[in-house]
Amino acid sequence: QLQLQESGPGLVKPSETLSLTCTVSGGSVSSSEYYWGWIRQSPGRGLEWIGAIYYSGNTYYNPSLKSRVTISIDTSKNQFSLNLSSMTAADTAVYYCARRQPGNWFDTWGQGTLVTVSS
Amino acid sequence: DIQMTQSPSSVSASVGDRVTITCRASQDISRWLAWYQQKPGKAPKLLISAASSLQGGVPSRFSGSGSGTDFTLTISGLQPEDFATYYCQQASSFPHTFGRGTKLEIK
Repeated sequence: QLQLQESGPGLVKPSETLSLTCTVSGGSVSSSEYYWGWIRQSPGRGLEWIGAIYYSGNTYYNPSLKSRVTISIDTSKNQFSLNLSSMTAADTAVYYCARRQPGNWFDTWGQGTLVTVSS
Repeated sequence: DIQMTQSPSSVSASVGDRVTITCRASQDISRWLAWYQQKPGKAPKLLISAASSLQGGVPSRFSGSGSGTDFTLTISGLQPEDFATYYCQQASSFPHTFGRGTKLEIK
């Protein structure tokens, strides 16, 4: 059974860079069928698609975040990661990693991790 | 970006009722639409893809329809476990945007 688990700090200072990792078990990030993505959720912004990555390293980012986002993949560890720079209070949210089906919908999600931006 | 507008934002219903939730896209997305269910403190769960294809393990009381800009999610014969928040997501173009959700509450 495919499972995804986010890990990373729950508290980030303003202007710092958020680094989160998603560890995949029960499946492989090297699969040619899927992209692997990040989505966040906050009361103010609702659900917001951040970006996605293919096993080859090909990436798609939300244009509204593109200047601050980097998503990478480590097939040897079966993980993919999110870096979001220049964090502000507006980036406070629950961050989810998820598997993206070929149809561009997300069929398996991690449990989510709350990230708070505060000094 | 494509805007996804859900209505109503909340609805109260009783066990056994039939409920319909609407999602409207700001431009034609063909059938590139998904529906998710989210319960408090949990991640969204994919219910329906391609506007009407039920995911494995999802009860048949859930159904989806529509194409173009107008879509509906119908739950026939509400069960206690169905009370949750429902979201639509367009998968037609980047960025893949979500509706703001419809909270289904017990009457």
